[in-house]
Amino acid sequence: SAVISQKPSRDICQRGTSLTIQCQVDSQVTMMFWYRQQPGQSLTLIATANQGSEATYESGFVIDKFPISRPNLTFSTLTVSNLSPEDSSIYLCSVGRSPNTEAFFGQGTRLTVV
Amino acid sequence: RKEVEQDPGPFNVPEGATVAFNCTYSNSASQSFFWYRQDCRKEPKLLMSVYSSGNEDGRFTAQLNRASQYISLLIRDSKLSDSATYLCAVNDTGGFKTIFGAGTRLFVKA
Repeated sequence: SAVISQKPSRDICQRGTSLTIQCQVDSQVTMMFWYRQQPGQSLTLIATANQGSEATYESGFVIDKFPISRPNLTFSTLTVSNLSPEDSSIYLCSVGRSPNTEAFFGQGTRLTVV
Repeated sequence: RKEVEQDPGPFNVPEGATVAFNCTYSNSASQSFFWYRQDCRKEPKLLMSVYSSGNEDGRFTAQLNRASQYISLLIRDSKLSDSATYLCAVNDTGGFKTIFGAGTRLFVKA
């Protein structure tokens, strides 16, 4: 298993500002991912956070809007930039230890943009 | 076509009922398959992995049909505590990236 600490657990932000979410894992992991879960919807993969290089973004997500850092094998951040009400969602960090095994999730960050 | 498709429900069933969830996936090269459970305002957690031979864990049975690219979950003798959203998930050919279905909401009533 993996213990994942995600912060903040929730925030209310003004439109036009940015929010940075942190994800800390209790041990080194190969893969880290960021998902978005809009109200009443399933999880949509935003990007794969690559250690020491630029993240790999899924279709519909761009680095300017969702910059991601991964300075080492236990930590990653996701920034949601230039916030609009449409960004109100839950953002989840996920890790994978080895191929074809389960994904573990942080507790999520509930973002409300006003 | 979505990579992973499942019936969103909701399913409303009485306690003790048997309920089945279905899921299809589009990438025939996918190697690993899962069912996750997500409670309200919580993160998803693994319910069970799905193998070609089928697997059972107590009241839960999962099946995989690779030829049809179809995954199922059967819950027998439903309990009130089974009320949750059940997410079908498929890992990509690299084995790490997980793609989720829309989730099926289950309500078990007394």
